[in-house]
Amino acid sequence: DADVTQTPRNRITKTGKRIMLECSQTKGHDRMYWYRQDPGLGLRLIYYSFDVKDINKGEISDGYSVSRQAQAKFSLSLESAIPNQTALYFCATSEGTAYEQYFGPGTRLTVT
Amino acid sequence: GQNIDQPTEMTATEGAIVQINCTYQTSGFNGLFWYQQHAGEAPTFLSYNVLDGLEEKGRFSSFLSRSKGYSYLLLKELQMKDSASYLCASPGGSQGNLIFGKGTKLSVKP
Repeated sequence: DADVTQTPRNRITKTGKRIMLECSQTKGHDRMYWYRQDPGLGLRLIYYSFDVKDINKGEISDGYSVSRQAQAKFSLSLESAIPNQTALYFCATSEGTAYEQYFGPGTRLTVT
Repeated sequence: GQNIDQPTEMTATEGAIVQINCTYQTSGFNGLFWYQQHAGEAPTFLSYNVLDGLEEKGRFSSFLSRSKGYSYLLLKELQMKDSASYLCASPGGSQGNLIFGKGTKLSVKP
C-alpha cells in the first residue's frame, strides 16, 4: 500500500461549489503539506502543518482552508471553487525540515 | 529573498550525459534537494546535498557549491525513462519549508 494517499484522484467541479481533497499517510510523520502545481509555475505551498494543533499558511493560501483531523490526515478545502484553482494538487509529508518530502499521487482538479 | 533558478527545458540523446544546473538564493541555507517528476506523477526524491562536493548514486550524481549558490544534477548513460522534470529545492522558506524551482523538463531522444 502507498505511504501517502490522496482522494479523489480526479475531480471536475463547477464554479462556486465547495470541494474537499483528502490526504492520508502511514509514515508516522508529524509534518504534512499541501501544494498546487501549475504548468510553468512549479510547486507552490498552500498550507502546512507541523502537528495536529499547528497549521500555517503557505505562499498561496487565499481561497483555501485546511483541517488536520489526526496525525495521519490532512484535508484541503476550496470553499467556493473558481476556474483559476484548476491545477494538480499534491499532499506531502516529512520527518522534519531538512528531510525529504514524500508526495502523494496527486489530485487533478478542474473547475469549470 | 528566496529564489531558485533552473533551465526550463533540455534535450539529450540516449546513452549520453546531461548536467542540469540550479542556482539558489535562500536565507539560512540548509541543504539542496533534487526531485524527479514524470509527467502527471508525484515528485520522487533523488538526492540531498548539505556539504560542498559531489555525491554519486548510481547513474545520478549531485554537486553542491555553497559559496557559489550553485548545484547541478548529473545524469549518465541516459535512458528513455529519464525523460522527466527535475526539480531543485531548498529549505529556505518560512519555518524551513522547501522552496522549489520551476523544474527542468528533460527530453531524452533515441
